[in-house]
Amino acid sequence: NAGVMQNPRHLVRRRGQEARLRCSPMKGHSHVYWYRQLPEEGLKFMVYLQKENIIDESGMPKERFSAEFPKEGPSILRIQQVVRGDSAAYFCASSPGQGISPLHFGNGTRLTVT
Amino acid sequence: ILNVEQSPQSLHVQEGDSTNFTCSFPSSNFYALHWYRWETAKSPEALFVMTLNGDEKKKGRISATLNTKEGYSYLYIKGSQPEDSATYLCAYLNYGGSQGNLIFGKGTKLSVKP
Repeated sequence: NAGVMQNPRHLVRRRGQEARLRCSPMKGHSHVYWYRQLPEEGLKFMVYLQKENIIDESGMPKERFSAEFPKEGPSILRIQQVVRGDSAAYFCASSPGQGISPLHFGNGTRLTVT
Repeated sequence: ILNVEQSPQSLHVQEGDSTNFTCSFPSSNFYALHWYRWETAKSPEALFVMTLNGDEKKKGRISATLNTKEGYSYLYIKGSQPEDSATYLCAYLNYGGSQGNLIFGKGTKLSVKP
């Protein structure tokens, strides 16, 4: 039973480029969450999605960041016009969404903006 | 601003020692408390999800307690082994927040020497 799959593991972008991070949840999980870990910081919530719906995006910057979880395919976190401050590790997690359940995390995508 | 504090930041123990660390969180509007174990180069792995004041959970040599009235949880490891070396994260879920909007502490990094 495959776990949460994130790709790529490492992504290097120049300032001003776009970054696309992908996340495939565990089989049977319909809820996806994105977290960001800045250097020397803990994990910070960004966005919570169900299939085709954004449930909570209160942690996501209002500009340049967007997320989707289409009916088919992985969830995508998209960062437009990246800046150096976007360099971080981005973690995706999933859950079956039934009540208060633990999150299952992927291995993360480490984004470096040069 | 909701804050989750973990102490100590790091801990070095000898194999066979028992150890414990603390997670402090806001006592108002409590909904759930998660514990995760995060080994280097891997993804965070769920240990416990606790919801009720006085809850005690156990998984092998690891156990946790919860005091929602005073806003703390303890994680105990009995007879530490080198494979217990990891960062232990706690995360608080506010009653008013969506189920994915966990507020994470920065973790306690445990190193167990053989």
